[in-house]
Amino acid sequence: GQQLNQSPQSMFIQEGEDVSMNCTSSSIFNTWLWYKQDPGEGPVLLIALYKAGELTSNGRLTAQFGITRKDSFLNISASIPSDVGIYFCAGHNTNAGKSTFGDGTTLTVKP
Amino acid sequence: EAGVAQSPRYKIIEKRQSVAFWCNPISGHATLYWYQQILGQGPKLLIQFQNNGVVDDSQLPKDRFSAERLKGVDSTLKIQPAKLEDSAVYLCASSLEAAPDSEQFFGPGTRLTVL
Repeated sequence: GQQLNQSPQSMFIQEGEDVSMNCTSSSIFNTWLWYKQDPGEGPVLLIALYKAGELTSNGRLTAQFGITRKDSFLNISASIPSDVGIYFCAGHNTNAGKSTFGDGTTLTVKP
Repeated sequence: EAGVAQSPRYKIIEKRQSVAFWCNPISGHATLYWYQQILGQGPKLLIQFQNNGVVDDSQLPKDRFSAERLKGVDSTLKIQPAKLEDSAVYLCASSLEAAPDSEQFFGPGTRLTVL
């Protein structure tokens, strides 16, 4: 099946710092999605990308759909304590009809 | 608007016992998903329903897992008999449509521990 490699696995940063995480795949995806999961909750969609090369922002979050359609990155600027959580990328292939999730990046923000 | 509801939130059983999880999707959402999330991993799709029909159950271990969505609204996921490796969070999600640009909304999940 399709596999996503998400890195880094975990990050410990100081409040106010910028964060970057990425996802790579050996397969092409039509859609890239970024989710955040808080403890005891389900993932919540942050950003959706539908076109190769697309760069999309949502507040302090910016994500890009790689030109090769095999990768995506998520940046968080000026991190705050509530950014703590697990961030998942997910690739969606229309042909397969389902999303494949990475194993997440755990973000810890120190005040 | 109410979100996706799941119950129970936690369940502890012994191996070889049976267990069932319930999901109530967002009203009007035609598509319903069940995911298994093992600790330290991302969600893995088990089964996808479109109304009351199965769209994809290719990753559902059918020898022990079953799911139904009889009236195209609520859904139940059953494990019978449970194994130790079934310990995970079971997430239910729903979306308005099955299209990739139709956002999936996740419930809080049921945390299953198999002893």
